[in-house]
Amino acid sequence: AQSVTQLDSQVPVFEEAPVELRCNYSSSVSVYLFWYVQYPNQGLQLLLKYLSGSTLVESINGFEAEFNKSQTSFHLRKPSVHISDTAEYFCAVSYNNNDMRFGAGTRLTVKP
Amino acid sequence: DARVTQTPRHKVTEMGQEVTMRCQPILGHNTVFWYRQTMMQGLELLAYFRNRAPLDDSGMPKDRFSAEMPDATLATLKIQPSEPRDSAVYFCASGPGRAEAFFGQGTRLTVV
Repeated sequence: AQSVTQLDSQVPVFEEAPVELRCNYSSSVSVYLFWYVQYPNQGLQLLLKYLSGSTLVESINGFEAEFNKSQTSFHLRKPSVHISDTAEYFCAVSYNNNDMRFGAGTRLTVKP
Repeated sequence: DARVTQTPRHKVTEMGQEVTMRCQPILGHNTVFWYRQTMMQGLELLAYFRNRAPLDDSGMPKDRFSAEMPDATLATLKIQPSEPRDSAVYFCASGPGRAEAFFGQGTRLTVV
């Protein structure tokens, strides 16, 4: 069955520390990969996406993710986090340009 | 600023009542998703449409839930009769056809 696994439900880090949020997917066909962020009482916002081309994709606020086909992973990283990055982060996968499936989410808490 | 609009934002209803949630997708988007978010189950895909045709509603309890797109500017999700276990945040999202999803702010449903 096609699935998305976010390995960590909660990640606490101190401000200015690096962070990696892990995401693995199961698939043997072409996939599109996404990271979404959700702030309290809001909808999900697209953070970054991989559709094709360069395997390293970046967002405007310093996050990046790398598509690793051999490891079926799409981990999200940021070299230095801010308090304002505290949110829930969801990895999502679309198989064959069809429906979009989400992981369980990772709650990132940035402490001062 | 194009956005997905969901109404109502909050709904409290009594068990057994009919609930209708509405979504206005972004103009020009041909794919519409309905998701349900709960603490226990995370984000669940209920149904999605492409060019107003339902492609997959396997995630939706068929006996009480129904989803329709009467026209390209309106998607509806109905629950009849509603039950306390339906309490959740329901998100509508629309996309331009490459599996991206732009989310609305959600409808927070409470069934008492």
